[in-house]
Amino acid sequence: QVQLVQSGAEVKKPGASVKVSCKASGYTFTTHYMHWVRQARGQGLEWMGIIDPSDSSTTYAQKFRGRITMTRDTSTSTVYMELSSLTFEDTAVYYCARAGPHIVADYWGQGSLVTVSS
Amino acid sequence: DIQLTQSPSFLSASVGDRVTITCRASQDISSSLAWYQQNPGKAPKLLIYAASILQSGVPSRFSGSGSRTEFTLTISSLQPEDFATYYCQQVNSYPVTFGGGTKVEIK
Repeated sequence: QVQLVQSGAEVKKPGASVKVSCKASGYTFTTHYMHWVRQARGQGLEWMGIIDPSDSSTTYAQKFRGRITMTRDTSTSTVYMELSSLTFEDTAVYYCARAGPHIVADYWGQGSLVTVSS
Repeated sequence: DIQLTQSPSFLSASVGDRVTITCRASQDISSSLAWYQQNPGKAPKLLIYAASILQSGVPSRFSGSGSRTEFTLTISSLQPEDFATYYCQQVNSYPVTFGGGTKVEIK
């Protein structure tokens, strides 16, 4: 069965960086893109970008360009999302989600809470 | 960017009610729309994609319709487990965008 297991909660100071991992299993890692979506407490869903694990190509939302990096490790079937220059507004739950039919997010990780606090 | 406007933002309904949620796109997105359900503290769950295709395992009381700029999600007979927040999402072009959500509450 498809599973996406994300790394645990993180607490970071403003200006720092965070790197969240998402380990995939139950399918061929390189045949599905991976989305990253975040959700601040009590707020809606915000798309951050997408990575093609087959060649590492990425598309980022304009809002995050310059401070987001998505990478992958095919040997461990893991994708990573690194966000730098963190501010309090980056406090959120970060989700990875597999892109399935028509590139919609058909399987989601459990979420990783990132808290930015001084 | 393509804006998605969901209405209503909040909906109060009873078990057994028929519920309809609307999602309007700021430009033509063909049928490139998905619907998700999210319960508190949980990841979203895909319900419908390509505007009207039911994701495997999703109960048939959920249905989607529409194209171009106007879409609807219908729950034919609301069940206790359906009280949640629903989001639409367009995947016609990058950046992918989500609607603001519709919270379905118990009346």
